[in-house]
Amino acid sequence: SQQGEEDPQALSIQEGENATMNCSYKTSINNLQWYRQNSGRGLVHLILIRSNEREKHSGRLRVTLDTSKKSSSLLITASRAADTASYFCATGYSGAGSYQLTFGKGTKLSVIP
Amino acid sequence: DGGITQSPKYLFRKEGQNVTLSCEQNLNHDAMYWYRQDPGQGLRLIYYSQIVNDFQKGDIAEGYSVSREKKESFPLTVTSAQKNPTAFYLCASKISVSSYEQYFGPGTRLTVT
Repeated sequence: SQQGEEDPQALSIQEGENATMNCSYKTSINNLQWYRQNSGRGLVHLILIRSNEREKHSGRLRVTLDTSKKSSSLLITASRAADTASYFCATGYSGAGSYQLTFGKGTKLSVIP
Repeated sequence: DGGITQSPKYLFRKEGQNVTLSCEQNLNHDAMYWYRQDPGQGLRLIYYSQIVNDFQKGDIAEGYSVSREKKESFPLTVTSAQKNPTAFYLCASKISVSSYEQYFGPGTRLTVT
């Protein structure tokens, strides 16, 4: 399985602080995506980083990818209470004519006002 | 509104009964997916469909069945053969089999007693 593993499982920070979540995976990938899930809701796509990219930014999000270490990190800067959610990495691979995702178990982020 | 709808949000069934979860999308997406999420866990793929009248088993297909008679609809039936059916079920879609980002519905929480 290519399932990613997020670390830490849970993270609690004060509003305004930065939050860093890590993801490790086992086999080669085409790209890696990060998704967010508010409690009891569906997932929302945040950002995708390709295997030939090392860093990508989107607003307050910064994602890094180290394919030699098979790891990625998601940094949320200047966190807000509304950032409270679970964050999942999803490793993507192409095979047999289709592209599939494998999700990790997620990091539960709590941002305290 | 464009998007993916899942109904109902909460579903209760007695053990031994089959139950069908609805998933409809008006995004004109080719590919559709069903995932299962257990507490504190990531998403596990049950079934996916790349085109109408075609579907493939995912990692945990036993005890489930699907159909794809229309592009916009991908219902999931949880049969009595599924040993632990109580879970949160998420439907997703994407533009084509080779595209990357998945769009998720709000989910259905199924409780079987």
